Formats: sequence, C-alpha cells, structure tokens
Amino acid sequence: KQEVTQIPAALSVPEGENLVLNCSFTDSAIYNLQWFRQDPGKGLTSLLLIQSSQREQTSGRLNASLDKSSGRSTLYIAASQPGDSATYLCATISGGGADGLTFGKGTHLIIQP
Amino acid sequence: DGGITQSPKYLFRKEGQNVTLSCEQNLNHDAMYWYRQDPGQGLRLIYYSQIVNDFQKGDIAEGYSVSREKKESFPLTVTSAQKNPTAFYLCASSGGASMNTEAFFGQGTRLTVV
Repeated sequence: KQEVTQIPAALSVPEGENLVLNCSFTDSAIYNLQWFRQDPGKGLTSLLLIQSSQREQTSGRLNASLDKSSGRSTLYIAASQPGDSATYLCATISGGGADGLTFGKGTHLIIQP
Repeated sequence: DGGITQSPKYLFRKEGQNVTLSCEQNLNHDAMYWYRQDPGQGLRLIYYSQIVNDFQKGDIAEGYSVSREKKESFPLTVTSAQKNPTAFYLCASSGGASMNTEAFFGQGTRLTVV
C-alpha cells in the first residue's frame, strides 16, 4: 500500500527566500503526483499536477519535480511571500486508482514578513 | 463558475443522529471522493465512486454511507454507527478513467458532535 511522507513537517523562513518542500512515496508505480495548498479551515487548492511521464511542472514561482525511480518529488517556491503561508500537501494516484489519492501529512509553511 | 460545492460549511450532530453532507460538481467529472481530515492524521479516504451507480469503500468507510445516483452529486451520510464523527470532511472529483487528470476539492464541511 502506498505511503507518502513529507519533510519537513513545519518550516518558517523570512520573506524573499527560495525554499524546497520534499515528498517521498514508497510505490514508484504512480499515475501522477499532485501538489496542493490548504489554508486554515479551507479546502485544498491544486497547485501542480505532474503525470508519471513528466519530470517537472512550473506555474509562476512554483516548480515541482518528479523522480519516480527514487520515489521523490520536490516543490520549489521562489522568492517566498507572506501570502505563501499555508500547509502544502502532496498526493499520488497509484495501484490502478483504486485507492484514490494518497496524501502525505503536509508541510506547514510560515513566511515571516 | 466550474467547481465543487460542499454544503453546509458547518454542521452539528447530536448523539445518535444521522446527518448528510452534500457534494455537487459541475466539472463533468466521472470520479468523486470523500475524505476525512483530522489534526495530525492527514487526509483519509472514506468512499469513492468512479461512475454513476457504483462506489467503493475507502480506508475508513465504517459508519458512513454514500450514493451516486447522478454524475454531479455524491452525498455522504454520517450514521450513528460512526463513533467519532467530529472532523473536517472534504469532497473531491477528477476525470477518473484516465487516472492522469487533476483532482479538485470543495471547501469542506466541518462536522461537530454536540
């Protein structure tokens, strides 16, 4: 059964810094990997979807990479802003999709003004 | 606007009551999902449906029931058999069949037992 781990669990950095969030998964036979953002008390907002055949995806200041063979993905945030403060979640679909998305527990990010 | 609508935003349940959470999508997605989120536990899959009139149990289906009579609707009933229902419930949808489509989430329903 797929397991997804996110490191670190929490991160606090000054505004303007570039940062990397890590996601690892145990079953490399994934269909895709998706990064989400969650603000307190809110639903999940999709940030980036990387399909299994892709190595990376970019959207604005966000760049996500995928290395299936090593079971890892990273989310790179450039020039961080206080508005980036949120919990970031990664999720995979694998095993024929029968398990839905499997989520990590998230990284709680605080950007200090 | 296309998206997923969950209602109500807040719901209070008395002991022994069944309550139903609504989830509606206008994205023409085949697959729909219900997740439960508890502090420190991450999101856990309750039920999912890949097509109308069919649904499957997830990891924590006990005490919950669903129906999928229409493509756009996937209501979740929290029954009295669910002993610890206080949580944040999230509904999601995706294209489904291809497995390579983006998943979208609603804004959630916070259920509290009183």
